[in-house]
Amino acid sequence: QQQVKQSPQSLIVQKGGISIINCAYENTAFDYFPWYQQFPGKGPALLIAIRPDVSEKKEGRFTISFNKSAKQFSLHIMDSQPGDSATYFCAASIGNFGNEKLTFGTGTRLTIIP
Amino acid sequence: EAQVTQNPRYLITVTGKKLTVTCSQNMNHEYMSWYRQDPGLGLRQIYYSMNVEVTDKGDVPEGYKVSRKEKRNFPLILESPSPNQTSLYFCASSARRTNYGYTFGSGTRLTVV
Repeated sequence: QQQVKQSPQSLIVQKGGISIINCAYENTAFDYFPWYQQFPGKGPALLIAIRPDVSEKKEGRFTISFNKSAKQFSLHIMDSQPGDSATYFCAASIGNFGNEKLTFGTGTRLTIIP
Repeated sequence: EAQVTQNPRYLITVTGKKLTVTCSQNMNHEYMSWYRQDPGLGLRQIYYSMNVEVTDKGDVPEGYKVSRKEKRNFPLILESPSPNQTSLYFCASSARRTNYGYTFGSGTRLTVV
C-alpha cells in the first residue's frame, strides 16, 4: 500500500509563478518529512525537510507547509524558474534522524515554462 | 569528492543469470540503502543497512539479497533475475546523525530479458 500519497503526478507552471505539490500520509508515527529533487539522469537530492513540531519551514524560495491534524504536507516553490524543472518526491520516515527507513511518494514532474 | 558510486550504470541481462550491482561510499556513512524507481510508483526501498553486518528488509525485498561486510560497500545481488526486476536502481548512504538526508548514487538501469 502507498503510505505516502503525492499529487499531482505532473505540473506545468509559468516562470515566476508558484508551484505547489501536495502529500498525504496515514501513519501517525512518521516524524520526519523531507522533499527530494531529481534531475534527469541523476539521483535524488535532499531539498528541504521538516519535523512535525513546526507548521512551516522556509529555505529561500522553497517552503514546506505541514498540517499535522490533516496528515498533509506540501511544497511551495515561489517565483518558479526554468532551473526548477525536475521531479520532486515527498517522503516520510520514523527514526532519530529519519534516514533508516524512508518511504517516498510517487513523484511529481514539474515543468516551468517561460 | 564525497560520493556514492554504483556500477554498472547500465546492464542488460537474461532471466535467471545471477548479477551483482556494486555500491561504494567514501563518506564513512553508517546508513546505506537500496531503492528501485519505477514510473508511477516512485522510489521503493528494497533493503537498508544501519551499520556493518546489520541489514533489514525494506518494502520490496523479494528477489534481492544484500550484504554489508564493510562499512563502505553495500552490494545488491539478484540471484535469479526476472523481467519484473527491470528498473532503475539507486544506492544511497547517510550518516547516522545528520540533517543532510541521503546521498544518492547516479543509478543503475537494469533490463532483464
